[in-house]
Amino acid sequence: GAGVSQSPSNKVTEKGKDVELRCDPISGHTALYWYRQSLGQGLEFLIYFQGNSAPDKSGLPSDRFSAERTGGSVSTLTIQRTQQEDSAVYLCASSIRGRSTVVEAFFGQGTRLTVV
Amino acid sequence: AQSVAQPEDQVNVAEGNPLTVKCTYSVSGNPYLFWYVQYPNRGLQFLLKYITGDNLVKGSYGFEAEFNKSQTSFHLKKPSALVSDSALYFCAVRDQTGANNLFFGTGTRLTVIP
Repeated sequence: GAGVSQSPSNKVTEKGKDVELRCDPISGHTALYWYRQSLGQGLEFLIYFQGNSAPDKSGLPSDRFSAERTGGSVSTLTIQRTQQEDSAVYLCASSIRGRSTVVEAFFGQGTRLTVV
Repeated sequence: AQSVAQPEDQVNVAEGNPLTVKCTYSVSGNPYLFWYVQYPNRGLQFLLKYITGDNLVKGSYGFEAEFNKSQTSFHLKKPSALVSDSALYFCAVRDQTGANNLFFGTGTRLTVIP
């Protein structure tokens, strides 16, 4: 596609429910990142996928958070038993991993999650 | 461990004046450095990057950044600020080990006053 696509753009859920957030990276991009941005705050790293390598999950805040990337393309971030503190904008980005060049990551518009 | 520091949460500058948004970093080895901008209710947009070579990097919208290895800094600059430059600016770093993860600073909100 032309850019990184995230869905839904907005999600309101009740506390305790599970949610799934989807990210479609740019075609051909091997690296995929998830970040969380609380209102007016910086970007908190969550998880990073690179090709067929084991993902870097070091940023996941609790075991309620998980993510997968099927077929090296689409990724789903799942939050189980949502809490109010999970309310934030969840951003996905993708990039090519070049061996001789370094390319920047391209971001989607984000999913705004509100837990009520 | 990699880290990025943006020491100023907020920077105010008068329209037409030069602006600087500060960033310092910490990595093992040589860094790859990036600046992104986030306009209200928009995603992050890439501005510029430093990989190697000239310490002064030019990017989009008239922005530039200067890499200073001895001070481990990568400050964003623009000679003449526009009101439309008002946004949230993020500095990011990646090391050259191949891990390829990308770490961001906490962001600096730039307000250009007419």
